[in-house]
Parts: sequence; structure tokens; C-alpha cells
Amino acid sequence: EPEVTQTPSHQVTQMGQEVILRCVPISNHLYFYWYRQILGQKVEFLVSFYNNEISEKSEIFDDQFSVERPDGSNFTLKIRSTKLEDSAMYFCASSERIYNSPLHFGNGTRLTVT
Amino acid sequence: AQSVAQPEDQVNVAEGNPLTVKCTYSVSGNPYLFWYVQYPNRGLQFLLKYITGDNLVKGSYGFEAEFNKSQTSFHLKKPSALVSDSALYFCAVRGGFNDYKLSFGAGTTVTVRA
Repeated sequence: EPEVTQTPSHQVTQMGQEVILRCVPISNHLYFYWYRQILGQKVEFLVSFYNNEISEKSEIFDDQFSVERPDGSNFTLKIRSTKLEDSAMYFCASSERIYNSPLHFGNGTRLTVT
Repeated sequence: AQSVAQPEDQVNVAEGNPLTVKCTYSVSGNPYLFWYVQYPNRGLQFLLKYITGDNLVKGSYGFEAEFNKSQTSFHLKKPSALVSDSALYFCAVRGGFNDYKLSFGAGTTVTVRA
């Protein structure tokens, strides 16, 4: 069964550094998402992406965050200047359609900011 | 705005007993409802969804959920729980047209004892 893949599985960075989290969504999916989860708690929506542009974003997704689909397969989340509170699990997800399609999640990237 | 409530942080059952994980939702339009399961250090796995039609929906691993519009609930059930069902369960809702994101509940930790 096709799956969403994320790299790296674990990223350690120093406060103020830039990080790029990478994702390869399922190939025939059209909608892409980033979520984060702090310490196994609530899953928080960051951003959705469709047709090469952001379709919706949360209050968390401020100017230090950006997303990009640089080619036909990858979907990236960039954090320009990391803060301690950015430490979390970041999950990429994709879906085939919007309304009645479930999101398929990757296994996540654990970001640790020191 | 849409929201999901999972009133129980934890549910403990004995193996072989019925399992119920509660979820209530709030949306402005017709709800699209989903259940996901998360095992340690893994992403979220889709279990089942309600879009329209029969109020009782069946999903993966013997799980089912009952949609109740009057009570705005979508409780997850399994007639006979297994130790391997021990995990973190999330209810999620999408509020309809022009709503790209899934909003997740806080999660319920299920522990099934042998």
C-alpha cells in the first residue's frame, strides 16, 4: 500500500537555526498538509497546500514557517529561525480529494531544538 | 469554527470486553468525521470515516463507529478488545465545503489488559 514518507526521522538543531523537513506524499494525492504534535498530545493543524499554493493555515503558521513543493514529488516545511517551543513531532499528510478522503500520515519527524 | 471533544483522557478495559471511545463534535455544516489510531513513535493511522449514509460505519481491525446527529456524537466501538488495541485514539472532524483541514480531538489513551 502506498505511504507517505518523511525524512529525517529525527532532527536536532540549535535555537535560531533553519531546518527543512521533507515529505514525499502519496503519488496520486492532490492535497498536502503539515501537522505537529507536542509530547504525544493534541495533533495541531499547521497548513494545507493545494494546486501549488497554501489553501489554509493556522495561527501557529506564522512568518517563520514556509512550505514548498519544489518538484513533482517532494513537499517541504521550512522553519527559518527555530525556537525552543518548536520542538515537536511534525507530521506530513496527504489526501486524494478534500471532502470525503481521509488524510494519510507519515511517521513524522521529531524536531528537537536545543 | 469546528471542534472535537474527547471527554476521556484514558479508557481501561479487559481483553475480550467491549471498548468504547467517546467523541462529540461541533461544526456549522454537515460533518465529515474520522477516527485515527496512533501507536508509539508512529504516525496516525486511519480507522474509519462517516461522510453520509448509514449511521453505523465499519472500519479497520474490527472497529466501528456510530454517528448520532441529535447528540452530535461519533463514538468508536469494538465488541471485543485485544491487548494490541492499546494505543492513542483521535477523533477528527472536517466541517464541509471550503474547509481543508481536519481538526483533531485531544486523544484518548486506550489500555487493554490481558
